[in-house]
Amino acid sequence: DGGITQSPKYLFRKEGQNVTLSCEQNLNHDAMYWYRQDPGQGLRLIYYSQIVNDFQKGDIAEGYSVSREKKESFPLTVTSAQKNPTAFYLCASSWSRGADTEAFFGQGTRLTVV
Amino acid sequence: LAKTTQPISMDSYEGQEVNITCSHNNIATNDYITWYQQFPSQGPRFIIQGYKTKVTNEVASLFIPADRKSSTLSLPRVSLSDTAVYYCLVGDIGTNAGKSTFGDGTTLTVKP
Repeated sequence: DGGITQSPKYLFRKEGQNVTLSCEQNLNHDAMYWYRQDPGQGLRLIYYSQIVNDFQKGDIAEGYSVSREKKESFPLTVTSAQKNPTAFYLCASSWSRGADTEAFFGQGTRLTVV
Repeated sequence: LAKTTQPISMDSYEGQEVNITCSHNNIATNDYITWYQQFPSQGPRFIIQGYKTKVTNEVASLFIPADRKSSTLSLPRVSLSDTAVYYCLVGDIGTNAGKSTFGDGTTLTVKP
């Protein structure tokens, strides 16, 4: 069953701790993305990767880090430097060639920092 | 960077046609327009995509005028299950995600 899987669905952490969100896809897509969504707002791009071992910052990369060691995986670490980490995090993947491509999204991870 | 503007919310009744417009005045030549649907606590799901004129699939139609500065998502005969947030995305996410912009979304509420 092809798709994109984010885990866990809900995550609670204490302030000051780093936390890593998992994202795995078996669609053989080249590109992967992380978005942040706050209540009542749209999606803001954190990081994206169009090929293994390469990634670029999006609009709100400060306080986040990523790695892309495997094509299937694109984990996101929310560091203690992120001032307001509580949010809904969405991972997506797509082909990286051609402009007429669609993104496939995971079910999201809701992170709550207390 | 193409900035997008959508109405914040819309109400409709079951069986009606709903049209949601997205404005994108500085769309680039290579940009496509893609619409997504999102239910609460879920990831967005692709609805339809187009470059110009009209595109139709089994769930929606997308109208894009010649100047491409706006686009209209048309949902025929909506049902209660169409209650969701609808986002337009302008850009070419596959080749240039950093310059692809999601709108703030339109919350559609379908009433019985």
